[in-house]
Amino acid sequence: GEDVEQSLFLSVREGDSSVINCTYTDSSSTYLYWYKQEPGAGLQLLTYIFSNMDMKQDQRLTVLLNKKDKHLSLRIADTQTGDSAIYFCAESDGNNRLAFGKGNQVVVIP
Amino acid sequence: EADIYQTPRYLVIGTGKKITLECSQTMGHDKMYWYQQDPGMELHLIHYSYGVNSTEKGDLSSESTVSRIRTEHFPLTLESARPSHTSQYLCASSGHGQLNEKLFFGSGTQLSVL
Repeated sequence: GEDVEQSLFLSVREGDSSVINCTYTDSSSTYLYWYKQEPGAGLQLLTYIFSNMDMKQDQRLTVLLNKKDKHLSLRIADTQTGDSAIYFCAESDGNNRLAFGKGNQVVVIP
Repeated sequence: EADIYQTPRYLVIGTGKKITLECSQTMGHDKMYWYQQDPGMELHLIHYSYGVNSTEKGDLSSESTVSRIRTEHFPLTLESARPSHTSQYLCASSGHGQLNEKLFFGSGTQLSVL
């Protein structure tokens, strides 16, 4: 089955950039996703990248995709306190089911 | 803004009780999902449905059951709750179009079984 790996914890100062990494196994995914979970809430789709792209920029967010190494990253520029959350990467298994990574908790220090 | 709702938001209940976690969506989505999220954050798919009268077991074995009698409603039931069922339960749905895998999540039900 699909296996998505993420590191667990990141602490970053407000205003700095933060980078979250993820590796995945299923190269057939059409899209790869980043979800954000704020405390006490469900997950919210943050951004996504089409599998034939290697980079996508969306305001403060930059997604990089290295298909050869099956590596996905999310860079948040000018990190703000509202960015404190758990971030999950996800890939599809081809049957409209998403496999999520273990999540990466980002704590922004004012 | 996602139109998917879960109730109750928090539930504390004694061992052996029967409980139903409610999930409803108003987006007309065919596909609905239940995830269990453990304290270590990891999400596990426990049930999913591709439409009315369709229910499937997910990747993680669960003693819970689900039903899908109406498109908008996907309740999860535990016949006899146990402390090992203590967890966060997240409901999600997805629809059609370019991003038919895009999941909309409810706010979750935090279940504590004493």
